[in-house]
Amino acid sequence: RKEVEQDPGPFNVPEGATVAFNCTYSNSASQSFFWYRQDCRKEPKLLMSVYSSGNEDGRFTAQLNRASQYISLLIRDSKLSDSATYLCVVDNSGGGADGLTFGKGTHLIIQP
Amino acid sequence: GAVVSQHPSWVICKSGTSVKIECRSLDFQATTMFWYRQFPKQSLMLMATSNEGSKATYEQGVEKDKFLINHASLTLSTLTVTSAHPEDSSFYICSASGLINEQFFGPGTRLTVL
Repeated sequence: RKEVEQDPGPFNVPEGATVAFNCTYSNSASQSFFWYRQDCRKEPKLLMSVYSSGNEDGRFTAQLNRASQYISLLIRDSKLSDSATYLCVVDNSGGGADGLTFGKGTHLIIQP
Repeated sequence: GAVVSQHPSWVICKSGTSVKIECRSLDFQATTMFWYRQFPKQSLMLMATSNEGSKATYEQGVEKDKFLINHASLTLSTLTVTSAHPEDSSFYICSASGLINEQFFGPGTRLTVL
């Protein structure tokens, strides 16, 4: 199974700051990309899909660079509630018929 | 969004016993269900993929005779950890996928084998 690499952190960031994570993937044929959020001892929850043209959802912006095979997540005006582990996820099947490949996650701590 | 439940949410058992975990899609029909395992400070790792009515497809390194998966209906899949040992202690999460192909995750089952 192909690898998905993330910096595990932790990233300690003051409230209100902007923080960005990157994730690299090794399978150039990967079709779909996602960012999930996982709170301690909980199941992962889909944060946002990542589209080729880049996409934004409120304070969150995701970008995909196929040439360099990396995905990024930008969080603006960070809140205390953003503290969590952010998982970079790749779907290599293109149609959701295959299991997802998860990165190990980047641990984010927002400090008051 | 779609709801997936898992039962039990937490189980402690003695070494050598078998544990069954249920995964249910509550408001949609799941043609495919996935089982993942997550060890502490590790990423989720796919164990197997199951399609309703057919045998599960296991990932390399996952023993199919130890982790029995049954997907007998479009709303229920079960994972049975047979003859569990302490090294099987982990967080087991299922996900379900229906017509739209998005995976919806269950809340997970924390297994501790003494």
